[in-house]
Formats: sequence, structure tokens, C-alpha cells
Amino acid sequence: SQQGEEDPQALSIQEGENATMNCSYKTSINNLQWYRQNSGRGLVHLILIRSNEREKHSGRLRVTLDTSKKSSSLLITASRAADTASYFCATDAASQGNLIFGKGTKLSVKP
Amino acid sequence: EAQVTQNPRYLITVTGKKLTVTCSQNMNHEYMSWYRQDPGLGLRQIYYSMNVEVTDKGDVPEGYKVSRKEKRNFPLILESPSPNQTSLYFCASSLFLGSPLHFGNGTRLTVT
Repeated sequence: SQQGEEDPQALSIQEGENATMNCSYKTSINNLQWYRQNSGRGLVHLILIRSNEREKHSGRLRVTLDTSKKSSSLLITASRAADTASYFCATDAASQGNLIFGKGTKLSVKP
Repeated sequence: EAQVTQNPRYLITVTGKKLTVTCSQNMNHEYMSWYRQDPGLGLRQIYYSMNVEVTDKGDVPEGYKVSRKEKRNFPLILESPSPNQTSLYFCASSLFLGSPLHFGNGTRLTVT
């Protein structure tokens, strides 16, 4: 059962630009998480935002959550070539709790 | 070092030959889960475990088995692998259900 859907599927930007990725989901959630995956490697947790939070920051990352629209965005500021990776949102539906992942956004940052 | 360890990293096998992918975590996490990742389909959950001796089906459990006899280990068993189980598999663990997941480095399985 697909819960989160990322948009766009792929994003290509120049180093120094900001990258914005969006995630939409279908049911009420307890929290939403963002993960990063370098090619073929295990996912790495970036940030968690709870359903009662609207915005959260961690270094160059800014995450927003709009529960009325059932959507979240991940903003990476001043991107670097090393940010090139796939980014996934994951939600735990309030009724079940299991983390369900979207299909991801593939970000390419060109030097 | 806190980690989730999966073995093997790569595995090529033939249809019908039983195999086990091991997963171990050293963080005393209660929750463990198996995912498979296929192009265009993202990560899909196979099985998960909330604690020792407690396992449950995810979205795509057919053809897989798991066990959780000890807190640290959560092996994935393919009793009779088929080519449609060719995939990249990830084990993950977290302190409890819904908390951030720690992932292993993956097992790339090819079934011919």
C-alpha cells in the first residue's frame, strides 16, 4: 500500500542552487520522515517531523509539513555535488504505525 | 559502532534453492523490518517484527519467511526462490515502531 508519493521523480540542478522535493500522502499520520540513499546503498535517516509540527530545520535541510493538504516538502539549501542521491519520504499511518516509503526523488547536483 | 549488518552483500542462486539472508543489529532495537527495492517501485515492506517472537506481514510477504528468536537477529528466508524475487533487499531496525530506521547496506539477490 503506497502511502507517500514524492514529486518530482527526478531533479537536476547546479551546485549552489536550492533543491525542493515534495511528498504527498493519503491518510492521517503520526510522523513523516525523510531519508537519503546513495546509489545502491542503505537509506540514511535525515529528519523526522511530527504531525503537530509545521517546520523543522537540520543544517541545510528544511522540512515543512501541511497536514491539511497531506503534504510535506524537503528543501536542501546551497546544494553540493555530494547531495546527489535519491530522497525518500516515509510516513507511518496513524492507524497502523508501520513506515511506508514513497518511490523517491532522484536528485542530481552538477558541479 | 552501532550498525545493522546484512549478509551476504551479493548472492546469485538458482530457482528453488533455499536461501537465508541474515540480519543482525547491535543497538538493542525492538523493531526490525525487511524491504525489497525494485526500479520504479520504491521500497516495499516484506515482513516486520515488533519484538522477539512477534512477526507480521508487510505489503509483499509471499514467498518469504522470517523469524525473530533473539532480539538482535532477523533472518529472511526464501524457501523456494523464483526469478521474480531478484531484487535489492534491505534490513532495517529502530528503537520502536515509528522511530527512525537504521538500514543495512543491502543484499543484491539474483535468482536465475
